[in-house]
Amino acid sequence: AQSVTQLGSHVSVSEGALVLLRCNYSSSVPPYLFWYVQYPNQGLQLLLKYTTGATLVKGINGFEAEFKKSETSFHLTKPSAHMSDAAEYFCAVSLNRDDKIIFGKGTRLHILP
Amino acid sequence: DAGVIQSPRHEVTEMGQEVTLRCKPISGHNSLFWYRQTMMRGLELLIYFNNNVPIDDSGMPEDRFSAKMPNASFSTLKIQPSEPRDSAVYFCASRQAGGPGTGELFFGEGSRLTVL
Repeated sequence: AQSVTQLGSHVSVSEGALVLLRCNYSSSVPPYLFWYVQYPNQGLQLLLKYTTGATLVKGINGFEAEFKKSETSFHLTKPSAHMSDAAEYFCAVSLNRDDKIIFGKGTRLHILP
Repeated sequence: DAGVIQSPRHEVTEMGQEVTLRCKPISGHNSLFWYRQTMMRGLELLIYFNNNVPIDDSGMPEDRFSAKMPNASFSTLKIQPSEPRDSAVYFCASRQAGGPGTGELFFGEGSRLTVL
């Protein structure tokens, strides 16, 4: 069965600093991987996704993630944090585009002024 | 286009009462998911449907929980009887399965349930 582990339930970075949110997955087949963001009292929104092809994927709001099969990782990065990036971020995995999507427990990102 | 619509947005009820949460997926989507979000357990998949048929309900906590999808545009999640530990935010999400898409889900804004 597929699963996702997000390291760190809370991450704090200064405004303008690099954002790095870690995600490791477990999957029996090449996975589909997703990052979602959740702002307070809202549903989840897709940031970016990896299905096949290029391993570095770019998403909205300046975020990107790199699929590393050898490390079973899909870490999310952004070069320079903005106050508006404060939210909860979820990594998710699926076996294929039609299978169930399993989410990690989330990482809350705090931006320090 | 309208997104996934959930109702009610907030529900406060007393232990033992029946709770029904409703979801209207995005028009044209044929796959619907119910998730539960709590601080302790994160986002848990309860059940998902493809073409109105339940595919995987292994996440449904117990017999008190039931979900139906009578047609392509409507689904319900029912808890009977409700208990305080059911307090959570319940999300509905939909997508187009079997088509050219890449499998991402579109989420509703959630139904926050408080059981006293």
